[in-house]
Formats: sequence, C-alpha cells, structure tokens
Amino acid sequence: DSGVTQTPKHLITATGQRVTLRCSPRSGDLSVYWYQQSLDQGLQFLIQYYNGEERAKGNILERFSAQQFPDLHSELNLSSLELGDSALYFCASSVRDTNEKLFFGSGTQLSVL
Amino acid sequence: AQSVAQPEDQVNVAEGNPLTVKCTYSVSGNPYLFWYVQYPNRGLQFLLKYITGDNLVKGSYGFEAEFNKSQTSFHLKKPSALVSDSALYFCAVRDASLSGNTPLVFGKGTRLSVIA
Repeated sequence: DSGVTQTPKHLITATGQRVTLRCSPRSGDLSVYWYQQSLDQGLQFLIQYYNGEERAKGNILERFSAQQFPDLHSELNLSSLELGDSALYFCASSVRDTNEKLFFGSGTQLSVL
Repeated sequence: AQSVAQPEDQVNVAEGNPLTVKCTYSVSGNPYLFWYVQYPNRGLQFLLKYITGDNLVKGSYGFEAEFNKSQTSFHLKKPSALVSDSALYFCAVRDASLSGNTPLVFGKGTRLSVIA
C-alpha cells in the first residue's frame, strides 16, 4: 500500500457530464501530481500542486482543472466529458516539490459512455 | 526536450532466466532516470533511480539498472526472473538541468511476462 488514497475507484458517466476525482496524499507529503494513463498515449502528466500552489502544468485540457486544499488533499475536476477522456487517472504524492520518488495511488478508472 | 523510449512492448522470459527491459532517453543536460513497476489493478511503484555516481544502480526486489551515457540507455535487469515479476514496467526521465519540479516523462511501458 503506497499510502495514497484515490476515490472513487471506478466512475461511469455520460458525455457532457462533469466529475470530480479525489486524492489524499501520503501523510507528510506536500506535493500532489495527477497523471492520465491511456492505451494509446501512455502515462501523461497533467498537473502538480505543492502545499496548495500550482507548481507545474502538463498537457491538461482547459476542460480539466485541479486544486489542492489546506489539508493537502487534491481534486481533479473533469467537465464537458468526451469519449476520449476515458482513461485511468492516477494521483501521486511526494514529500517535496521535486520529482524524485513518487508514490502512486491505485487510480480512478473513468469510463465515458 | 525530454523523451524516453521503451522499444519493446512485451518481453517474455522463462522463470530463472535473466531478464532485461530496455530504455533509452534523450535530454539536453544530464539525466535523472527512474524505473517504476505497475502490477495489475495497482498504481505505479518506484523501483530504483539514477541521479549520479555509480552507473550500476540497485533497487527493490532484486532489480538493478545500468546507466550508459554513451548509449543514452538505462536498461533494467534481474539475474533470475520470478513469475511474480510479471508486470508493466515504466522507465522515466527528468533533465537535471531543468527546475526541480519539471515533470517526469514516462515511457509507454513494457509488459514483462515470466513463464513458469
């Protein structure tokens, strides 16, 4: 067990809808990262937060947004969902804001029908 | 720009035989290199990293990786494969000359199957 908790594990929704994915980092970790894993694109970095502030941004769509709350948990909001958004979304955490050793959650499998 | 390539989608090896999972990288400066493993229905787990120093890095579960600067490679190895090593393996890189929170770039993964 990595200590990173993601909820829900599975999410099935329809096109055009909005969903929120939640992540609780390991105790003591200040950085949270969001990744999208799909068969064709592999593992793609979306966004990173450190102690509540956005630190790095990857190929995150404008329809997607994230935040990190004072208790350090993070939420990834996906709106106007499209079929192509179906993927496994991972959250990872690390102690500092440098990417040396990441601890990954088990992911949220999103299916957009 | 940073990039990493895992040239093999699938590697099959017999239990007890040595295994190698290949990775090559491209960065402008010096690389920080990582291997992660993903078991079914689980998130990625850190195996090992190369930051500087000895080119042979030892990691978890008996795995090791060899950094070769001239060939820009960081192949993952294990002397004797176990069936339980069957999983998806990811190589990742970060350019050391960039800021510390530059995201890791992951390869597409190599599925390792160890056959009893």
